[in-house]
Parts: sequence; structure tokens; C-alpha cells
Amino acid sequence: QVQLQESGPGLVKPSQTLSLTCTVSGGSISNGGYFWNWVRQPAGKGLEWIGRIYTGGTTNYNPSLKGRVTISVDTSKNQFSLRLTSVTAADTAVYYCARKAGRGQFDNWGQGALVTVSS
Amino acid sequence: DIQMTQSPSSLSASVGDRVTITCQASQDISNHLNWYQQRPGEAPKLLIYDASNLETGVPSRFSGSGSGTDFTFSISSLQPEDIATYYCQHCENLPYTFGQGTKLDI
Repeated sequence: QVQLQESGPGLVKPSQTLSLTCTVSGGSISNGGYFWNWVRQPAGKGLEWIGRIYTGGTTNYNPSLKGRVTISVDTSKNQFSLRLTSVTAADTAVYYCARKAGRGQFDNWGQGALVTVSS
Repeated sequence: DIQMTQSPSSLSASVGDRVTITCQASQDISNHLNWYQQRPGEAPKLLIYDASNLETGVPSRFSGSGSGTDFTFSISSLQPEDIATYYCQHCENLPYTFGQGTKLDI
């Protein structure tokens, strides 16, 4: 059973860069032809898809984030990462990593990492 | 972007009740619609994919139907552990978007 775990700083200052890593265990990130995703959820609000990466390097991002997002993968470490630049308080949220299976369902999720943007 | 509208936004029901949630897409998404359960403090959990397929290990009291723009999610006999917020999500194209959620309590 594949498991995902987010890690990274829980506090980021405004205008700085948010960086999170998702470590995949129980299987190789390179096997199975999956897309690996980031999804976020502000407190008390709904879910927002941030973007995804395929282990071959193909990426897709949500245009709502206006070019501030970069997702990368390190297959040697079985990890993929999120960078979000120029953060504001509006980026405060729980950030989840998730695996996309099939057409587009997220069948495996990390437990989530709370990131607060504050000075 | 495709907009997903869920109703109701909140719902109160009793153990044993049949519960139904609807999700409407702003354009035709065929059957490219998934349903998730999110208990407080937990990550979302996939229940239904491709509108009507039950994810492995999910109890059969959960079901989904619909195609095009109108979809329905049902719990045939509500159990105490079903207290959660439920989200629909389309996967017709990018960006994926979610409904605003339906909070279910007893």
C-alpha cells in the first residue's frame, strides 16, 4: 500500500517561498504511470488543486496561481516537491500531496501539512 | 474552468436515513466525476470514481450516479462514522476543481 507524507516548514513569511516535499513509500514513484499532485485547503474552506507532475517531468499547474508554482520530482529519493513563491496570507492552508489514478481520481493522500504565512 | 456546485451545503440526518447529495457541473463532463469523504482533521478519502464506481474497500451503502452535468451521491443507511464533509471533483480537463462541500451531521 502506497503511503504519502508531506514535510516542510510550517511557517513562512509573506513574500517568501513556500517549499514542501512529499515522500512516497510502499512503492516506486516511477512505477505505474501515475501523476503526483498537490492540493490545498484553507481552514474551514474547500479543496483547490495546485498542480501535478509525471515522473517523466511533465507538469501542469492551476492558472489561478499565476505562475508562482513549481513542482519537481526526485525519483532517486522517491519524492516530489512543491515551491510556491511570493506567498501572502491567502496561501495559508493545509497542503496535501496526492496520487492521481485512472482518469483523474486522487486515490492516495498524505495526511496534510499546515503552512501558515505570517511575519 | 469548470465550476462544480454541490447542494445542499449542509445536511442533518438520523442514523439509518438515506442521504442524497447533488453536484452540478457548469458544462458536460461525461462521467468524469469523483466523490470524496473528509472527516474532521483528516485527508479526503476517495469513495466513488467515474461517477458510479465504488473504490475498493468502500462500504456498499455508498453509491453514485449521473452523467453530463448532473450527478448524485447517496448513502443508503447513514452510520455514525459517516459524519464528514463530502466533495465532488471533476476530472474532465485541467484544472481539476472541487465542489464547495456538503457537511453532513447527525
